[in-house]
Amino acid sequence: DTAVSQTPKYLVTQMGNDKSIKCEQNLGHDTMYWYKQDSKKFLKIMFSYNNKELIINETVPNRFSPKSPDKAHLNLHINSLELGDSAVYFCASSRLGGGDTEAFFGQGTRLTVV
Amino acid sequence: DAKTTQPTSMDCAEGRAANLPCNHSTISGNEYVYWYRQIHSQGPQYIIHGLKNNETNEMASLIITEDRKSSTLILPHATLRDTAVYYCIVRVRRSQGNLIFGKGTKLSVKP
Repeated sequence: DTAVSQTPKYLVTQMGNDKSIKCEQNLGHDTMYWYKQDSKKFLKIMFSYNNKELIINETVPNRFSPKSPDKAHLNLHINSLELGDSAVYFCASSRLGGGDTEAFFGQGTRLTVV
Repeated sequence: DAKTTQPTSMDCAEGRAANLPCNHSTISGNEYVYWYRQIHSQGPQYIIHGLKNNETNEMASLIITEDRKSSTLILPHATLRDTAVYYCIVRVRRSQGNLIFGKGTKLSVKP
């Protein structure tokens, strides 16, 4: 069983569209994350979320919003897509805690905006 | 910004030990050192972490200096499948502990 799974794996869409990326974890973790990896391969945190707190990286445009229907899912909604949104998006999860918890990552969703 | 410094790239011969250094001179006493790797086109994979003692698991060993200002990840018998970008991360000790990735070290294992 895949621990953290994302769908779709590839997403090609036109500018201005609204799209969602789904993420599910079966590890029983409390905290989930979204990361963005741009063309220069830098991995940057976008959101971290548990059932009590959403932390948003201040550089993330408000066109991006996480939605969590339950503890095992954290979906990423993107409105009015722009060319610069093209990247690979990774979902991750970990146990709630301090520094002593490892994170598990999904295989990524490659988003291409044309 | 990442709180670690790593060489941009390294080569290693297949079957030999790969030693990947990391400097984290501003590490705080309650911060952990984590290592992750990212094989091409895949999600980052956890390798190992430690606080101040050396650690070993089935994948690697982590050697942390006594002053905790640097560490070394050791892959004892590198294989071609270990070719990846290796990230050394100092884990911010918050309730949700975001991982802050730097540029990492591109390790190339050669036959």
